[in-house]
Amino acid sequence: AQKITQTQPGMFVQEKEAVTLDCTYDTSDQSYGLFWYKQPSSGEMIFLIYQGSYDEQNATEGRYSLNFQKARKSANLVISASQLGDSAMYFCAMREGTDWGYQKVTFGTGTKLQVIP
Amino acid sequence: EPEVTQTPSHQVTQMGQEVILRCVPISNHLYFYWYRQILGQKVEFLVSFYNNEISEKSEIFDDQFSVERPDGSNFTLKIRSTKLEDSAMYFCASSDGPVGGANVLTFGAGSRLTVL
Repeated sequence: AQKITQTQPGMFVQEKEAVTLDCTYDTSDQSYGLFWYKQPSSGEMIFLIYQGSYDEQNATEGRYSLNFQKARKSANLVISASQLGDSAMYFCAMREGTDWGYQKVTFGTGTKLQVIP
Repeated sequence: EPEVTQTPSHQVTQMGQEVILRCVPISNHLYFYWYRQILGQKVEFLVSFYNNEISEKSEIFDDQFSVERPDGSNFTLKIRSTKLEDSAMYFCASSDGPVGGANVLTFGAGSRLTVL
């Protein structure tokens, strides 16, 4: 079974509008962490936002917020006021386990976001 | 801003040849990782390295792969005998501590490997 599922291979959004990128996850661990990374066409992976499984509040970082619904096992990324520079591939990822040294982070297949002027 | 640096940015090699990809993680980071991304596909975990040993590896990381931290700064990925399917972007990453909270994976810009 897929650990991280991103069901939207591609999305379009009008500049200045908000957009939600979907992510669902599968784990039996009680302690886990969820991440979103941005990959522009240049290829580098840029960290955007992190949500811990025990965090009660949704994470926010500037224009990025993570809509964390634990019971539904979803961790959607919301980008407010989209900018042309937001056009990129977006990956949802999960870290499982609490063992010291257990550090595998699993990525989803990504969503390609295109911001239209 | 501290960064993870990777060399080479692009390497072309013949099938069966050995390849070494190099990474300089952020200097005070303790955990090191290699990921790969086949063109247009998702980022896949290969291996994590802590305290001078492999702490976790995926099924992709078979006997053809090895990692080393030969000195205090470099972290290398060696592919002994490259196959066509090893063609991918290889990302090095590092983290200050166990991933989570303030400790996130910081990625390098990647090394693109093309096997002919």
